[in-house]
Amino acid sequence: GQSLEQPSEVTAVEGAIVQINCTYQTSGFYGLSWYQQHDGGAPTFLSYNALDGLEETGRFSSFLSRSDSYGYLLLQELQMKDSASYFCAVPTGGGNKLTFGTGTQLKVEL
Amino acid sequence: GAVVSQHPSWVICKSGTSVKIECRSLDFQATTMFWYRQFPKQSLMLMATSNEGSKATYEQGVEKDKFLINHASLTLSTLTVTSAHPEDSSFYICSAREGLAGKNEQYFGPGTRLTVT
Repeated sequence: GQSLEQPSEVTAVEGAIVQINCTYQTSGFYGLSWYQQHDGGAPTFLSYNALDGLEETGRFSSFLSRSDSYGYLLLQELQMKDSASYFCAVPTGGGNKLTFGTGTQLKVEL
Repeated sequence: GAVVSQHPSWVICKSGTSVKIECRSLDFQATTMFWYRQFPKQSLMLMATSNEGSKATYEQGVEKDKFLINHASLTLSTLTVTSAHPEDSSFYICSAREGLAGKNEQYFGPGTRLTVT
């Protein structure tokens, strides 16, 4: 089966940098995605890594190490609006569907 | 572009009744739609995958006779929760994919919060 583990909660102050980790076990690997979800809202796509290394998109960066079955999402210059749940996800079922990680609730404090 | 809508956004129903949730892709044709269920403070759990014009594929443990899925057109999929019970209360989210399987082409709807009393 597939499993993607994340820390359940992370707290940081506004302006800081925070890293949210994801370790995965999958049969077949296509890449690692990250999604943001505010309370009661839809998940929104943040990033995707198919290859090892760091991908940067504005304040958010995502890293993948396929040999370690590990990735992380890095959020810089934290803002209050970044308070949300963050999920890693991998394509499964031959790439036909997504399996989500356990999710990390990020709380940004003043 | 790539907007997915859901209706209703929230619904309250009595135990034993059925509830239908619609998922529409507004500006693209969705060859595949997915239905997820999310309990409070938990992750999204895939319930089923539906392809236009064919029967849905349900994940293990999901009762296909209880959660009826119809994907009658390339822009509309419906999920009907039949004989709903309080334990079915949850946040139901659909997503839609335009093309072939791949990395990140799923676009998510805003979700429907179902409360069964």
